[in-house]
Amino acid sequence: GAGVSQSPSNKVTEKGKDVELRCDPISGHTALYWYRQSLGQGLEFLIYFQGNSAPDKSGLPSDRFSAERTGGSVSTLTIQRTQQEDSAVYLCASSPAMQRWEQFFGPGTRLTVL
Amino acid sequence: DQQVKQNSPSLSVQEGRISILNCDYTNSMFDYFLWYKKYPAEGPTFLISISSIKDKNEDGRFTVFLNKSAKHLSLHIVPSQPGDSAVYFCAGNAGGTSYGKLTFGQGTILTVHP
Repeated sequence: GAGVSQSPSNKVTEKGKDVELRCDPISGHTALYWYRQSLGQGLEFLIYFQGNSAPDKSGLPSDRFSAERTGGSVSTLTIQRTQQEDSAVYLCASSPAMQRWEQFFGPGTRLTVL
Repeated sequence: DQQVKQNSPSLSVQEGRISILNCDYTNSMFDYFLWYKKYPAEGPTFLISISSIKDKNEDGRFTVFLNKSAKHLSLHIVPSQPGDSAVYFCAGNAGGTSYGKLTFGQGTILTVHP
């Protein structure tokens, strides 16, 4: 079946602009996670959604970052007033339930802020 | 504060030989560890995991060793194959309220030469 998909694959924006990154999880997966990987760094947890529970936003680096998940499926990560330090690969993952073993990752969105 | 560290950015081995990838962690609350593999332009894929109640877990050519007293884990690939060439990430998880959050290292680029 289809894996996790993310769009766009690449995004170049100017400092100060808002961007939206989209994630389509695997059908039926109730848990959805966002991570980012900055240059030379490991994957950094941002936020996760589990079913109808309140999302865990503890990894969001600032209030310029927000995410929502509509209808328990598609998720959008929004970054307002982008800064150059926001440049990174943003990865989305999903799993059948919230689990700490196998999370299924999408290919990521490479964000470049000029 | 890097809780998971992979101190070798890259490793090169000959086909058929053993590959040993190392990972150190500082968070004593971690009780579950994972290795993910990532090919270019793809998301990471789960490889193998180990619970802190064990010191070894084996799956085919892949074995993960955990030394809790040293806060160190390693992934052994025997025999190494050219298709194993990828970036390998180790990750830790603390369970509890952090159940879905994986903390990743920076990754090690493995190159297996034919």
